[in-house]
Amino acid sequence: DAKTTQPTSMDCAEGRAANLPCNHSTISGNEYVYWYRQIHSQGPQYIIHGLKNNETNEMASLIITEDRKSSTLILPHATLRDTAVYYCIVRAAVGGAQKLVFGQGTRLTINP
Amino acid sequence: GAVVSQHPSRVICKSGTSVKIECRSLDFQATTMFWYRQFPKKSLMLMATSNEGSKATYEQGVEKDKFLINHASLTLSTLTVTSAHPEDSSFYICSPAVGEKLFFGSGTQLSVL
Repeated sequence: DAKTTQPTSMDCAEGRAANLPCNHSTISGNEYVYWYRQIHSQGPQYIIHGLKNNETNEMASLIITEDRKSSTLILPHATLRDTAVYYCIVRAAVGGAQKLVFGQGTRLTINP
Repeated sequence: GAVVSQHPSRVICKSGTSVKIECRSLDFQATTMFWYRQFPKKSLMLMATSNEGSKATYEQGVEKDKFLINHASLTLSTLTVTSAHPEDSSFYICSPAVGEKLFFGSGTQLSVL
């Protein structure tokens, strides 16, 4: 079973920041928070991941609360191409590859 | 980023035939490969995990004799759907693992008539 909960859907205006929340209250100390997105009929695309510190890359920022029970993915200037299903996943990466368990994700729609 | 090649992207086959899906990691070596299945408007469901040179581990409810996985090298894994039936029609996605990161193939849409 997925260890995260996300809103089913969200809307955001083009050019604005999209903030996608995720709850992972049962996260373990060695588990990372990963974000992927999936555009229709394509494989998931890696966005960002983090353990406890906030992270930023060319695609997005990841804000993790101090207790690590929730996080927010921020797309700073959303475009129409950011319309997709966004998955928040927790996964342990210690000791080799561990599987990803996908929840239902958030369907983000960017409106013109 | 890492390049993953999955093909075919789309395949239509008759009921009872077998279909092979290939997944290659083109610029990295993946010791672990995950195979997922996705039905329309649903999330990805893990089918099996394979490590190079060893037998795959299947998730509960996934028939190992029907979904044959071969992971003969660090850059190639295959999934064969044997004796396909219409209910096997789905979107199949491979995911090679490299350290902390998992990458995904572009998926294979299988339609069984």
